[in-house]
Amino acid sequence: RKEVEQDPGPFNVPEGATVAFNCTYSNSASQSFFWYRQDCRKEPKLLMSVYSSGNEDGRFTAQLNRASQYISLLIRDSKLSDSATYLCVVNTSGTYKYIFGTGTRLKVLA
Amino acid sequence: ETGVTQSPTHLIKTRGQQVTLRCSSQSGHNTVSWYQQALGQGPQFIFQYYREEENGRGNFPPRFSGLQFPNYSSELNVNALELDDSALYLCASSWTGGDYGYTFGSGTRLTVV
Repeated sequence: RKEVEQDPGPFNVPEGATVAFNCTYSNSASQSFFWYRQDCRKEPKLLMSVYSSGNEDGRFTAQLNRASQYISLLIRDSKLSDSATYLCVVNTSGTYKYIFGTGTRLKVLA
Repeated sequence: ETGVTQSPTHLIKTRGQQVTLRCSSQSGHNTVSWYQQALGQGPQFIFQYYREEENGRGNFPPRFSGLQFPNYSSELNVNALELDDSALYLCASSWTGGDYGYTFGSGTRLTVV
């Protein structure tokens, strides 16, 4: 089983739609969680950290469920510019490495 | 504040050759991590450097080695290149272990022929 698993997609959604991605992780000792966005042939960029209480940044909402060991990302009112690959990232506090999922591709259609 | 810079941006090498990739960390960051990203995959952790010492290593063979310099910049060296080493190599810098997120450079795209 992979340490971090994501549905690779692609998710094709119309502009204005709401879309959600889930990600599961296998290490119950994981402490830090992030969503990164990666545009085609570019580097990953931090979208948002994920906190236990859930957090929101504009149209983006991230949730963490420790009991079921998954995190989610909700995008409301999708824009064409949201088209990208969204990478789920997990880090165990006190360790040195981030574990990335394979990413979920999102394509927002006009 | 300067971001993470990597050089070169693209590189073509022949199987069996050696390559050195370079990374300058973001100002104020003391930790550098290297990742390999194959096409269609997520980045895979190679190793991390903190205070000029290797601070952890992923599942990569010893022909992948690195250095960190006093100014926190870093190099990734790969010996005896194989075709499967073709990938995007990403450098990420952070303050300490990265609990607050990494900043990635734009990467070096290595093609081994």
